[in-house]
Amino acid sequence: GAGVSQSPRYKVAKRGQDVALRCDPISGHVSLFWYQQALGQGPEFLTYFQNEAQLDKSGLPSDRFFAERPEGSVSTLKIQRTQQEDSAVYLCASSLTSGSGNYGYTFGSGTRLTVV
Amino acid sequence: LAKTTQPVSMDSYEGQEVNITCSHNNIATNDYITWYQQFPSQGPRFIIQGYKTKVTNEVASLFIPADRKSSTLSLPRVSLSDTAVYYCLVGGLSGGYNKLIFGAGTRLAVHP
Repeated sequence: GAGVSQSPRYKVAKRGQDVALRCDPISGHVSLFWYQQALGQGPEFLTYFQNEAQLDKSGLPSDRFFAERPEGSVSTLKIQRTQQEDSAVYLCASSLTSGSGNYGYTFGSGTRLTVV
Repeated sequence: LAKTTQPVSMDSYEGQEVNITCSHNNIATNDYITWYQQFPSQGPRFIIQGYKTKVTNEVASLFIPADRKSSTLSLPRVSLSDTAVYYCLVGGLSGGYNKLIFGAGTRLAVHP
């Protein structure tokens, strides 16, 4: 597609429920990032993929968070046993190369997760 | 990674030029300076990137002094649709990729 697509757009989960958030990057993009954005804050880095390899997961807040990109295209961010503090917007970004190049990264519109 | 400091918020009026300055005293030799714009309910959008001196595109200009310890994003003749959060980021390739580190950004409000 023309941009980065994320689904669902909104997700309400009961505390303790597992959720899966999907990211469809721009076709052919090598790099894929996940960010978490709390209300009124800037996005915070979660994890980075280069093709199917997860090269950096230093930002994942706990072992309840898991991300995968098995075929080097679509990525899924899974959160197990959701807690209220997981409520945030989860953003996905992709880039053609491993560096940001001259045009930066392209972000999706995010998935707003609300844990009740 | 270099830390950035920018105003929390700014106000302007339609038709004015807006300059947002970002401080990054610890910028490294291979770091680039990049600005992103974010509207409510959307992901950040790349505006402009530079290394030194001045860069201009169809949207904005970026001024970087010789010591590169600060940078200024200039938005000419803003309109109401420029109301957004603007993020200044500093970084470069590390481990083969550029991990973007966002601060809190500058909330720009453009008034009629």
